[in-house]
Amino acid sequence: KNEVEQSPQNLTAQEGEFITINCSYSVGISALHWLQQHPGGGIVSLFMLSSGKKKHGRLIATINIQEKHSSLHITASHPRDSAVYICAALFFNFGNEKLTFGTGTRLTIIP
Amino acid sequence: EAQVTQNPRYLITVTGKKLTVTCSQNMNHEYMSWYRQDPGLGLRQIYYSMNVEVTDKGDVPEGYKVSRKEKRNFPLILESPSPNQTSLYFCASSSIAGGGTGELFFGEGSRLTVL
Repeated sequence: KNEVEQSPQNLTAQEGEFITINCSYSVGISALHWLQQHPGGGIVSLFMLSSGKKKHGRLIATINIQEKHSSLHITASHPRDSAVYICAALFFNFGNEKLTFGTGTRLTIIP
Repeated sequence: EAQVTQNPRYLITVTGKKLTVTCSQNMNHEYMSWYRQDPGLGLRQIYYSMNVEVTDKGDVPEGYKVSRKEKRNFPLILESPSPNQTSLYFCASSSIAGGGTGELFFGEGSRLTVL
């Protein structure tokens, strides 16, 4: 069964702290997405990974294919980073591709 | 500007009254998909389409239909809506290049209430 688990579910931190959000998946995937959803509800794609590491500004995403695990890091966190972060695994299934989502991590950064 | 446009953004309807939520993208993406988001359950895939006339079920397809007659449009049809279809719906699109997938672009969401 294709499963995706995220941790923690909720995370509160002080401004400036280094943040790590984790995502594990059950079987092999073709890609993993990290998404951000702000309180208004809109969803923005942050990264799409199939191997290694990607960096964009203060955000870094890594994936370890052998361990079936990905992490999203935020350096020098800021209150505007407060949002729900969602990982989504793309499971390749007989020529089709299905996305399965984690339940999200609600991040709150306190000034 | 690259975008995915959903309509309507908000809709209140009654049980059994057929409705369609439209989704259109202007990026010539092959891949389009529909999701619903419910508290405590997160996002779940309803249907997806790899290209024109190619659609497949996601994890929660019951009660929904889709069609992909044109590359840019992927409407979600609720033939006979029921209260358990009250949810926040998102459409998304992505390019498929070299056998992989690209960045996902999401619409702004459609909040549907079925009474």
